[in-house]
Amino acid sequence: GEDVEQSLFLSVREGDSSVINCTYTDSSSTYLYWYKQEPGAGLQLLTYIFSNMDMKQDQRLTVLLNKKDKHLSLRIADTQTGDSAIYFCAENPGAGSYQLTFGKGTKLSVIP
Amino acid sequence: ETGVTQTPRHLVMGMTNKKSLKCEQHLGHNAMYWYKQSAKKPLELMFVYSLEERVENNSVPSRFSPECPNSSHLFLHLHTLQPEDSALYLCASGTASNTEAFFGQGTRLTVV
Repeated sequence: GEDVEQSLFLSVREGDSSVINCTYTDSSSTYLYWYKQEPGAGLQLLTYIFSNMDMKQDQRLTVLLNKKDKHLSLRIADTQTGDSAIYFCAENPGAGSYQLTFGKGTKLSVIP
Repeated sequence: ETGVTQTPRHLVMGMTNKKSLKCEQHLGHNAMYWYKQSAKKPLELMFVYSLEERVENNSVPSRFSPECPNSSHLFLHLHTLQPEDSALYLCASGTASNTEAFFGQGTRLTVV
């Protein structure tokens, strides 16, 4: 079955860049997502990338996809204390599937 | 404001109680989802409704019973739950043609 792996914790200093990594096993993954969950809140879609893309940039966020290695990363430039949250990687095989498979989430702590 | 609203935000119930979780979306989406988020486990997809028809049921115990009366509302009826069912229950909505899922803030359920 599908599996999505993330490291559980990441700690960075305010102003530095954060890189959150994710690996997945389903080679048919068509859509890959990053969600953010702040304390006590639901998941907020941050960005997504199609499998035919290598990179997507959206303001401070850069998503890199290495399809050969099944590796996805999220880079947050100039990390702020408001970026402290849990970040979830998720994949969907497309082809009409409703299934989103999530990783366990990476807790990002930003040190002032 | 995510456009997906869940009530109640917090719920404590005994194992013999019957309660219902409610989800409402006003995004014009035609697919709605229930996810379970437990500590230290990936999000688990429980149920999917598309065009008010249940399309996926991921082997969820019968003590959880979903209902989708229309495309804007989704319920999760709970009865005779177990303490291990304590979790954050997240509702999401999306469209059949776009696999983005927009999440509510969740209901924190505690079974005592």
